[in-house]
Amino acid sequence: EVQLVGSGGGLVQPGGSLRLSCAASGFSFSSYWMSWVRQAPGKGLEWVANIKQDGSEKNYVDSVKGRFTISRDNAKNSLSLQITSLRAEDTAIYYCTRGRWTQDFWGQGTLVTVSS
Amino acid sequence: DIVMTQSPDSLAVALGERATINCKSSQSVFYSSNNQNYLNWYQQKPGQPPKLIIYRASTRESGVPDRFSGSGSGTDFTLTITSLQPEDVAVYYCQQYYGIPCTFGQGTKLEIK
Repeated sequence: EVQLVGSGGGLVQPGGSLRLSCAASGFSFSSYWMSWVRQAPGKGLEWVANIKQDGSEKNYVDSVKGRFTISRDNAKNSLSLQITSLRAEDTAIYYCTRGRWTQDFWGQGTLVTVSS
Repeated sequence: DIVMTQSPDSLAVALGERATINCKSSQSVFYSSNNQNYLNWYQQKPGQPPKLIIYRASTRESGVPDRFSGSGSGTDFTLTITSLQPEDVAVYYCQQYYGIPCTFGQGTKLEIK
């Protein structure tokens, strides 16, 4: 069974940083592009970033470029998202997903709240 | 960025009846080299993450009931649910991945009348 378990969310002040993690199991992690998609409370979905199987290619939505960094550790079946210079508008549930552009499996998500 | 616009924003349909959700893209998402529309549909039930139900406009994901179907091409797409069931209450999103970044519609909330 495919499982994506996210962690690392929490309450952070504006300008702060967090590192989100996602533990993958039930599939060959190193064979798939992986992505992060976020959802602000009560709002719609926004794709944030993705990373190629070997980490050699990464893509970001413009609003997070220079502030967010996606990475992966295939030996540990782990995906990460380092988020810095946080803004109120970054408040959202961050979902770890499998896929480059088509997200065929989603984790339960981890909530990031940016507030003073 | 390609803008995806869904209609209606919300919809109430009686059990057993048909539900139709529309999605329009600001430019074509049809990729002529492989004759595919780069358009997906997701279902998000309350308190759950989204779930992929239709990909490439009309192909049902494994395990998705056949009462769900997708149609359309170019800029206009439709998700149809025939014979609505209680478990179909959810928010439905379309997504294009022809352009980078991929973008989602604003969602359509489907309820039981």
